[in-house]
Amino acid sequence: GAGVSQSPSNKVTEKGKDVELRCDPISGHTALYWYRQSLGQGLEFLIYFQGNSAPDKSGLPSDRFSAERTGGSVSTLTIQRTQQEDSAVYLCASSILVGLAGGRASYEQYFGPGTRLTVT
Amino acid sequence: AQKITQTQPGMFVQEKEAVTLDCTYDTSDPSYGLFWYKQPSSGEMIFLIYQGSYDQQNATEGRYSLNFQKARKSANLVISASQLGDSAMYFCAMREDNFNKFYFGSGTKLNVKP
Repeated sequence: GAGVSQSPSNKVTEKGKDVELRCDPISGHTALYWYRQSLGQGLEFLIYFQGNSAPDKSGLPSDRFSAERTGGSVSTLTIQRTQQEDSAVYLCASSILVGLAGGRASYEQYFGPGTRLTVT
Repeated sequence: AQKITQTQPGMFVQEKEAVTLDCTYDTSDPSYGLFWYKQPSSGEMIFLIYQGSYDQQNATEGRYSLNFQKARKSANLVISASQLGDSAMYFCAMREDNFNKFYFGSGTKLNVKP
């Protein structure tokens, strides 16, 4: 089936402009995560959605960042008044509890290809 | 305190040899999962292997195995018979079952030499 998709794949914007990044998770996945990855760095957690529960926004770096998830599916990450330090790859992942061999289970994350944001 | 620590920014290994990538974690949650991901230069994140905190045996997936030492809070990834295509960044991650975030380490860049 289709994996996690993100759009746009690349976005170049001028400092001070607003941008919207979109994530379309795998159908049926109840959990959705946004991460930020700066060049050569690890993944920085931004926000997490689980079903109809209130999102965990504890990773958002400032109030310029917000995200919503409509209908429990597509999510949009919005960055207002972009700054040069916002330049990074923004990764989205969706997750579901999967059964493994031997009766085990795991919350595997499936990542999208990312959106590379460049703020000039 | 860091939830996930990967102390090896870069590693070299000769093709066909085994290599161990280190990962230590910090949690007070008795129930958690540990994950390894591979990120090639193309940027995609590829799930490799999972270990649950209550699993009695070390996880194995093909050439990948996870050396889980619960008392030491370590979850090292072992890649056997390295291949040139194994050259990539490798990230260790943890999910605490009482919370829902995944915590990622800073990664280890593996280079496989021919």
